[in-house]
Amino acid sequence: AQSVTQPDIHITVSEGASLELRCNYSYGATPYLFWYVQSPGQGLQLLLKYFSGDTLVQGIKGFEAEFKRSQSSFNLRKPSVHWSDAAEYFCAVGAGNNDMRFGAGTRLTVKP
Amino acid sequence: NAGVTQTPKFRVLKTGQSMTLLCAQDMNHEYMYWYRQDPGMGLRLIHYSVGEGTTAKGEVPDGYNVSRLKKQNFLLGLESAAPSQTSVYFCASRPGQINTGELFFGEGSRLTVL
Repeated sequence: AQSVTQPDIHITVSEGASLELRCNYSYGATPYLFWYVQSPGQGLQLLLKYFSGDTLVQGIKGFEAEFKRSQSSFNLRKPSVHWSDAAEYFCAVGAGNNDMRFGAGTRLTVKP
Repeated sequence: NAGVTQTPKFRVLKTGQSMTLLCAQDMNHEYMYWYRQDPGMGLRLIHYSVGEGTTAKGEVPDGYNVSRLKKQNFLLGLESAAPSQTSVYFCASRPGQINTGELFFGEGSRLTVL
């Protein structure tokens, strides 16, 4: 089955600084890749997704992610972080067997 | 827009008690999922369903049962609750094909087993 690794449990950045959250996946074929965000006490909301085509995908709230097949990675980036971006971020991989697997999540803290 | 609704939102059980979590979606989605979320472990798939009358096991199915008697509802049952099942449970749904849409999540159900 597919799997996802998010190496960073917790990241702290200053407001206005750039952000990169790492995600590595394991899957034998071309995966479907997603980034979700979870605010405290809420369910998950989709930020962006990759199915095929352009390896750099744009999402909501100014986020983007780049699929790198050679590195089995799908890192999430944002050029300038806002205080409202503080949340937990989950990378997920979908596959032909219909289930979706999530990483353990990265908690983002934004310093003023 | 109700989307995905989970009931109850909070529940405290004693070890050995049983309960059922209900997930209802009004988007006519084919696929529905139950996940549990634990600190440091992200979301782990318990069971899922690809259509009415079907269910399948995910990563951590032991101790849980599910049913999808109606397309809009996906029930998660605990027959004999254990403290290890203390968690936040999320239901999600999506349309039929994976490349047509993302998962839509409910707001979660927090279960504590004493």
